[in-house]
Amino acid sequence: DAGITQSPRYKITETGRQVTLMCHQTWSHSYMFWYRQDLGHGLRLIYYSAAADITDKGEVPDGYVVSRSKTENFPLTLESATRSQTSVYFCASSWVNQPQHFGDGTRLSIL
Amino acid sequence: AQSVTQLGSHVSVSEGALVLLRCNYSSSVPPYLFWYVQYPNQGLQLLLKYTTGATLVKGINGFEAEFKKSETSFHLTKPSAHMSDAAEYFCAVSDQDNYGQNFVFGPGTRLSVLP
Repeated sequence: DAGITQSPRYKITETGRQVTLMCHQTWSHSYMFWYRQDLGHGLRLIYYSAAADITDKGEVPDGYVVSRSKTENFPLTLESATRSQTSVYFCASSWVNQPQHFGDGTRLSIL
Repeated sequence: AQSVTQLGSHVSVSEGALVLLRCNYSSSVPPYLFWYVQYPNQGLQLLLKYTTGATLVKGINGFEAEFKKSETSFHLTKPSAHMSDAAEYFCAVSDQDNYGQNFVFGPGTRLSVLP
């Protein structure tokens, strides 16, 4: 089915470890986004991408790395996880000048 | 810079009562405005959007919102609440020139519907 999928849905890891969250969309949307959702903060943009090989920082990019070698994939990597990065992460995608469509999220716990 | 405020982090209504969720925005350019709903353990789903044209916008599940430029508001309403409306609601603003990358969300309002 067409849509946007995130994996894994749940992840527990330890501080200092590298972890990668995956995002895949089947619409060929040009734009893709990564947000984190924390109580009291709503959604905050981490990184976004306007097309393959084009990425840019959002509001809270520190500690995160992204890549987009293919239009349909937009992985998010925490190179050395910290407890402050415990959060729910959402990937989204959209056409230019169209609303964003969201995945179901990845709940990440860093011990 | 754009910003969104949502008055009330938690709103409770009785089943069948009017739902009113408040959203005010700040934008230096004409805004695009959105309401999203989030059910537990799910991502956000678009309820409705205002881009241009008619200021009263109808969305899914019986919700509607009115863009009031003079009040910089985009409040969400539904005449009669249903138990299935219990969820978290997010207002968001984007500007017309940077629609794709400049999407700012409010902190959210949790709606509880009492039997």
